Amino acid sequence: QVQLQESGPGLVKPSETLSLTCTVSGGSISSYYWSWIRQPPGKGLEWIGYIYYSGSTNYNPSLKRRVTISVDTSKNQFSLKLISVTAADTAVYYCVRDLGGTIDYWGQGTLVTVSS
Amino acid sequence: DIQMTQSPSSLSASVGDRVTITCRASQSITNYLNWYQQKPGKAPKLLIYAASSLQSGVPSRFSGSGSGTDFTLTISSLQPEDFATYYCQQSYSTPPITFGQGTRLEIK
Repeated sequence: QVQLQESGPGLVKPSETLSLTCTVSGGSISSYYWSWIRQPPGKGLEWIGYIYYSGSTNYNPSLKRRVTISVDTSKNQFSLKLISVTAADTAVYYCVRDLGGTIDYWGQGTLVTVSS
Repeated sequence: DIQMTQSPSSLSASVGDRVTITCRASQSITNYLNWYQQKPGKAPKLLIYAASSLQSGVPSRFSGSGSGTDFTLTISSLQPEDFATYYCQQSYSTPPITFGQGTRLEIK
């Protein structure tokens, strides 16, 4: 059973960088796509981007300028960095396994609040 | 981006009812359509993939249909644990994958 667990600060100041890591257990990260999805409180789901285990990435055009996703296969982890955050980036952030557009495993999610 | 529109946005129903939720894409997505269920405070769960294929472990009262631009999720006989928010999602044209706005299914 694949499990994903997000980790990182729950509070980030405006204009700073949001950094999260996802640890994958119960399976190897060295296959599939691995994505980040976020959900502002009380709102819908927004796909941020994915990384393939080889390192190739694809991002949501609406966030592309600010997002970087990276992978560390030796640690079975992948990470998200979002620069220049504002209150609009406050959301629950999920790391997920992406079967090329179908999300079959989700982390429990972590709330990141952007506030001074 | 392909826009996904669900209807209704919210729905009240009773245990045992048959319920249908509709999802419309802004252009044809053939059958690249998935459905998810989300309960409060929890991550979404995959129910249906490729428009009509039931994910392993999902009860058979859930079914999906449609192709092109119009899709439906049907719950044949509502159970208490089915009250949740449901999202459709397209993976035909990426990036980005896009989700519908959600349909909140409430107890009448």
